[in-house]
Amino acid sequence: ETGVTQTPRHLVMGMTNKKSLKCEQHLGHNAMYWYKQSAKKPLELMFVYSLEERVENNSVPSRFSPECPNSSHLFLHLHTLQPEDSALYLCASAGSWTGGYEQYFGPGTRLTVT
Amino acid sequence: AQSVAQPEDQVNVAEGNPLTVKCTYSVSGNPYLFWYVQYPNRGLQFLLKYITGDNLVKGSYGFEAEFNKSQTSFHLKKPSALVSDSALYFCAVRDMDDYKLSFGAGTTVTVRA
Repeated sequence: ETGVTQTPRHLVMGMTNKKSLKCEQHLGHNAMYWYKQSAKKPLELMFVYSLEERVENNSVPSRFSPECPNSSHLFLHLHTLQPEDSALYLCASAGSWTGGYEQYFGPGTRLTVT
Repeated sequence: AQSVAQPEDQVNVAEGNPLTVKCTYSVSGNPYLFWYVQYPNRGLQFLLKYITGDNLVKGSYGFEAEFNKSQTSFHLKKPSALVSDSALYFCAVRDMDDYKLSFGAGTTVTVRA
């Protein structure tokens, strides 16, 4: 798991707060992803970036705003969240967003919205 | 459209016994298939994948999976389970012409000593 790191590991925020999640990959990959993992539900793809260009916004509410300043770093900016946004947010990276490349995941940020 | 089904929410086996976690998939074209494992409070860890070639794929920690095109299945197997294999297992599929990876809901494996 040291290939993909995420900070913070835990975050509690109020509905009016603004916070950011950070992801860094040390694998030299070109693609990065944000996923949402809720209990008893399959992983939901939120955003995909390839070489810092966003290639997918999977109908995610605008209160989630991604940023990819370079191919090693990915952020998820959060504002005005709802309690149903509480979940584990996972970052992943892959050699490419196409082809048979496996994704490598970070440990996740456990987000609780109060 | 693509989808994955993991028909068992839970699998319980005794240590030393064979372990099988089932997965069936649906894609419109040819599939890329993956298995991941998740331990408590951790991210997903890649186990193995099928891209093309030999239908039997070997992966990490003694796991293997067999791609069966006619049955659209990709079951994960381990000949002799360990207590440390207790975790949540996810099957995932991607159509070769797509970039989205679709995950199953997961199967919780419990290996008792």
